[in-house]
Amino acid sequence: GENVEQHPSTLSVQEGDSAVIKCTYSDSASNYFPWYKQELGKRPQLIIDIRSNVGEKKDQRIAVTLNKTAKHFSLHITETQPEDSAVYFCAASPNTGNQFYFGTGTSLTVIP
Amino acid sequence: KAGVTQTPRYLIKTRGQQVTLSCSPISGHRSVSWYQQTPGQGLQFLFEYFSETQRNKGNFPGRFSGRQFSNSRSEMNVSTLELGDSALYLCASSAPGTGTGELFFGEGSRLTVL
Repeated sequence: GENVEQHPSTLSVQEGDSAVIKCTYSDSASNYFPWYKQELGKRPQLIIDIRSNVGEKKDQRIAVTLNKTAKHFSLHITETQPEDSAVYFCAASPNTGNQFYFGTGTSLTVIP
Repeated sequence: KAGVTQTPRYLIKTRGQQVTLSCSPISGHRSVSWYQQTPGQGLQFLFEYFSETQRNKGNFPGRFSGRQFSNSRSEMNVSTLELGDSALYLCASSAPGTGTGELFFGEGSRLTVL
């Protein structure tokens, strides 16, 4: 089955700096790659996603890049703010159903 | 529009008991999936139901089972509970359609097994 690895597990940045989280996947059939943000004590929420026919997608301060050949994708957050502090999960879906394989999460702390 | 609702929110059980968790999806959503969240393991896929049929299944033992009703509400059951089953169980629903899409999560049911 699919295996998603996520790095780093923890990340601290100064407010205003950029943050990058990287994920790799193993199943070449995976074609949808979402990123979820989970604030402390709250439910995960989708922040951005990318499909396999696209190499990059951007939404304001957040961007995701995908390298299908290398089987890795990354989340980029620019101009970080304290409210960006949360746990971020990457995921990959190898089929047409809603079956997702998640990474183990990155705890991001933005220091004011 | 009401979000995904899970009950109960918290529960404590002892080893060997069984537990049933309930999930009501967003109105109109026919896909309901379940995930187990534990510290350090992230979210692990249990199963997905679509139109009352199990469409996908993760790598969990047969003690974990689920079902979906005609109104799309779903239940999951864990029998013969083990200490390692202690976790947050998240339910998520997805918009109509058979393709892969955004998951809308509930707040979860936190299970503690003593």
